[in-house]
Amino acid sequence: DSGVTQTPKHLITATGQRVTLRCSPRSGDLSVYWYQQSLDQGLQFLIQYYNGEERAKGNILERFSAQQFPDLHSELNLSSLELGDSALYFCASSVASNTEAFFGQGTRLTVV
Amino acid sequence: DQQVKQNSPSLSVQEGRISILNCDYTNSMFDYFLWYKKYPAEGPTFLISISSIKDKNEDGRFTVFLNKSAKHLSLHIVPSQPGDSAVYFCAARDQTGANNLFFGTGTRLTVIP
Repeated sequence: DSGVTQTPKHLITATGQRVTLRCSPRSGDLSVYWYQQSLDQGLQFLIQYYNGEERAKGNILERFSAQQFPDLHSELNLSSLELGDSALYFCASSVASNTEAFFGQGTRLTVV
Repeated sequence: DQQVKQNSPSLSVQEGRISILNCDYTNSMFDYFLWYKKYPAEGPTFLISISSIKDKNEDGRFTVFLNKSAKHLSLHIVPSQPGDSAVYFCAARDQTGANNLFFGTGTRLTVIP
């Protein structure tokens, strides 16, 4: 158990819909990262937050957005969903001074 | 643009032998490199790391080698065990301070008993 909690574990939704994925980081970790893993692909960095502020942005679509709340949990919002958005979405967290990121078990999103 | 590349999607090794997983990168600003292991239905778990000021780091059966001039790193597992069968991801951090990790596409290691 990495200490990073993601909910839900599985999500099935229709095209055009909007979903919210939730992440609770390890206790004490200020940084939260979101990654997308599509079939047979590596982990694609989406976005990073540090202590409530956006720190870095990767290949995140405009239809996607995220935020980190004062209690440090984070949400990833995916809207106008397309079939190609079906993937595993991972959240990771780290202490600012550490370089290892600890991953949650992921949310498997299936868009039908 | 894939800045971290793992060109071997899969690798099979006999139990007890050495497993060597390779990783190449293109960004000279990377200063820290990590290997993660991933089992099905689980998130990646941190395995071992190396700073760019070193060329080798060892932790039990796992050793990571870094060749900065070639922009290449490798993970050696000796001896390989069936429980090592997993997907291994190489990751690299840039120096911008954002602690952003760039991942390769992974290599699926199968250790045959």
